[in-house]
Amino acid sequence: AQKVTQAQTEISVVEKEDVTLDCVYETRDTTYYLFWYKQPPSGELVFLIRRNSFDEQNEISGRYSWNFQKSTSSFNFTITASQVVDSAVYFCALSYSGGGADGLTFGKGTHLIIQP
Amino acid sequence: DAGITQSPRHKVTETGTPVTLRCHQTENHRYMYWYRQDPGHGLRLIHYSYGVKDTDKGEVSDGYSVSRSKTEDFLLTLESATSSQTSVYFCAISPTGRASYEQYFGPGTRLTVT
Repeated sequence: AQKVTQAQTEISVVEKEDVTLDCVYETRDTTYYLFWYKQPPSGELVFLIRRNSFDEQNEISGRYSWNFQKSTSSFNFTITASQVVDSAVYFCALSYSGGGADGLTFGKGTHLIIQP
Repeated sequence: DAGITQSPRHKVTETGTPVTLRCHQTENHRYMYWYRQDPGHGLRLIHYSYGVKDTDKGEVSDGYSVSRSKTEDFLLTLESATSSQTSVYFCAISPTGRASYEQYFGPGTRLTVT
């Protein structure tokens, strides 16, 4: 069975601080995909990034960066110079391949609070 | 904008009544999904569809059924709603049809079963 663990239930930082959200996954598949989604207070789910298991290069997009380490089964997300607008719940997800079901397995989410 | 709408956006219903939620897409994507979101659980897959009249169960399918008679519409039915089905329901589409690619979500339906 696949599993995604986001051990940090809630993180609170002051604006402009850097913050890292942890994601640890379990899968028996050799080919898999990892995702991060953002859910702002308005409730919609916003896709942020997809990473496949063969690509361990880190990715940077503006203030966002992602660190994928297969050796530790982790896919961590860092926000540099956080802003109040970054306040949201962030979900890490893993592609689901058990029995042919094509869905995503989500972690329970990390609630990020950026204080002004 | 993935062109996904959900209706209704909010619904309150009584235990034992049937409820149908609708997901509509405008992009003609083949794959569609229904998830539920509950505090402390993240999102969990209920059912998915890989084409008209082709559906399959997800992780938490008990008490739910789905139908897809047209590419653009994916319906989720609670045959006899229970309080444990109080949740926020999200529909999603996958542009390429496989879980290797990102899924895009609708705005969600908040369902309360009293």
